Amino acid sequence: QKEVEQNSGPLSVPEGAIASLNCTYSDRVSQSFFWYRQYSGKSPELIMSIYSNGDKEDGRFTAQLNKASQYVSLLIRDSQPSDSATYLCAVLTTSGTYKYIFGTGTRLKVLA
Amino acid sequence: ETGVTQTPRHLVMGMTNKKSLKCEQHLGHNAMYWYKQSAKKPLELMFVYNFKEQTENNSVPSRFSPECPNSSHLFLHLHTLQPEDSALYLCASSLRGVGYEQYFGPGTRLTVT
Repeated sequence: QKEVEQNSGPLSVPEGAIASLNCTYSDRVSQSFFWYRQYSGKSPELIMSIYSNGDKEDGRFTAQLNKASQYVSLLIRDSQPSDSATYLCAVLTTSGTYKYIFGTGTRLKVLA
Repeated sequence: ETGVTQTPRHLVMGMTNKKSLKCEQHLGHNAMYWYKQSAKKPLELMFVYNFKEQTENNSVPSRFSPECPNSSHLFLHLHTLQPEDSALYLCASSLRGVGYEQYFGPGTRLTVT
């Protein structure tokens, strides 16, 4: 089982729709969770972090965390063609050793 | 453009060469990281420096040697690399030490011939 799993996609959504990106992780003691966006040929760009169960909103983005289900998601409201990119989920665990694990990413395509 | 810069942006080197990658952060952050990104693979954390002290070395071969002379600069020294080391090498930094939001540089695209 991969430590951080994401569906590779592509996930295609029409412009203006809500895009829902999901991520599951295997280590129950993970405590910090991050979403990054990576455009083709560019480096990852931080979107947001979430540390406690529930929702966290920042503009058009909402991160959702459920530690019991070991699940973190990212919702993008009013999706725009410029949101087309690969979205990376990252999970941090610091019990024992420091582990900062990225998923392989989900490719999102927003259709105009 | 972010506050993390990397040079060179592209590098082609032979297996017997020695080269260095440089990273500089202008954000006043305390932790710096080296990552490797290969096609179809997740980002792999290579090294972590927290307040200039190396805190993690994730089983990276000795042909990769990091150096962190101060909290703003990070180097990755390369020698006798293999073709499978060809990848995008990314530097990142975070404000309050390890475990917080990371900000990435543009990366160095390395090709080993």
